[in-house]
Amino acid sequence: EAQVTQNPRYLITVTGKKLTVTCSQNMNHEYMSWYRQDPGLGLRQIYYSMNVEVTDKGDVPEGYKVSRKEKRNFPLILESPSPNQTSLYFCASRGLETQYFGPGTRLLVL
Amino acid sequence: DQQVKQNSPSLSVQEGRISILNCDYTNSMFDYFLWYKKYPAEGPTFLISISSIKDKNEDGRFTVFLNKSAKHLSLHIVPSQPGDSAVYFCAASGSSGTYKYIFGTGTRLKVLA
Repeated sequence: EAQVTQNPRYLITVTGKKLTVTCSQNMNHEYMSWYRQDPGLGLRQIYYSMNVEVTDKGDVPEGYKVSRKEKRNFPLILESPSPNQTSLYFCASRGLETQYFGPGTRLLVL
Repeated sequence: DQQVKQNSPSLSVQEGRISILNCDYTNSMFDYFLWYKKYPAEGPTFLISISSIKDKNEDGRFTVFLNKSAKHLSLHIVPSQPGDSAVYFCAASGSSGTYKYIFGTGTRLKVLA
């Protein structure tokens, strides 16, 4: 079954404590991306990756890092989380026809 | 600068009637459009798409219409069912080689039984 998985699904942390949200896809897609969803703002792209070792900024990259060492994995790193990064995060993997989303990670930064 | 706009944050429709969700875009370079449906606690799932070479695409109860001159697309759901209650996002993509999707802010559809 085609799948995008994310972990953890829920996370509460404190300001400044580094965290990583993992993302993995089993569809051999080259293109992957991270989005955040906030009320009234829809889905905004944070970072994307066209292939292994190729990443670029999306619309709201500040405060985030990514890496793409393997085709299937695309982790999102928050080096020093702040309360304004409290949000719902989605990883996505794109094929020829459409983009598949993971189930989401709800992050609360205190 | 919101390139893809969904001006109705919410919509309520009676079961069995038609639901019409609207989306406007500003960038004339967009040539591929999609609709996604999102249930609570789940990721968005692909619903239907349309290329700019078409003005209509149909899939069962779902039809997407594209009016390029007006830079407007709409999603029609006929007949609406309670299970259609969800948030609907439209998205747009540029010409081939541009992989980025730009999403609208979403419309919450509630189908009343």
